[in-house]
Amino acid sequence: KNQVEQSPQSLIILEGKNCTLQCNYTVSPFSNLRWYKQDTGRGPVSLTIMTFSENTKSNGRYTATLDADTKQSSLHITASQLSDSASYICVVIRNTGGGNKLTFGTGTQLKVEL
Amino acid sequence: DTEVTQTPKHLVMGMTNKKSLKCEQHMGHRAMYWYKQKAKKPPELMFVYSYEKLSINESVPSRFSPECPNSSLLNLHLHALQPEDSALYLCASSQGGGEEWGQPQHFGDGTRLSIL
Repeated sequence: KNQVEQSPQSLIILEGKNCTLQCNYTVSPFSNLRWYKQDTGRGPVSLTIMTFSENTKSNGRYTATLDADTKQSSLHITASQLSDSASYICVVIRNTGGGNKLTFGTGTQLKVEL
Repeated sequence: DTEVTQTPKHLVMGMTNKKSLKCEQHMGHRAMYWYKQKAKKPPELMFVYSYEKLSINESVPSRFSPECPNSSLLNLHLHALQPEDSALYLCASSQGGGEEWGQPQHFGDGTRLSIL
């Protein structure tokens, strides 16, 4: 079964600290993996897109890693800011005969506090 | 500001009402999507339009009726909804159509729908 599991479900950290969010998937055949940030009351915004051959990709203070062998990805946030408080959703895309299919993770709710 | 615009931002309707949600993008994207998102849950795909043709209907009840008048517009017509249909309805678009749908998606900020 094609599934995407994220951990932790929720996380509270102090401003300025680093954190790492995890995404494990069983989706096959794998096409690419994306991390989205969704602020409360807003639509998701793409942070990174990882293809099979990419191990690490950065976008400012966000760094995503991908291990296609173990089917794991992580999103590392450096020097967190209050504005990082949001839901972070991992989405894995598989390539079927009729096009790409997206499988969404359940998200990690991050709260950054003073 | 997002490049995908959804209106209205909030909608309250009774179960016997008929209303429509609207979505617009001017990025030249050829695939457009409707998602439903319940609180603290990930978005669930409802419909996909590729080159203005409905390509995916994820077994959505007929009380939801999508329409794609042109490549920039996507509507979702609502009729006889149930209280459990209350949710955030997100529209998204992506550059590719056909078998390329699913490429990086740009999301609107959604319409918060409440069914009384």
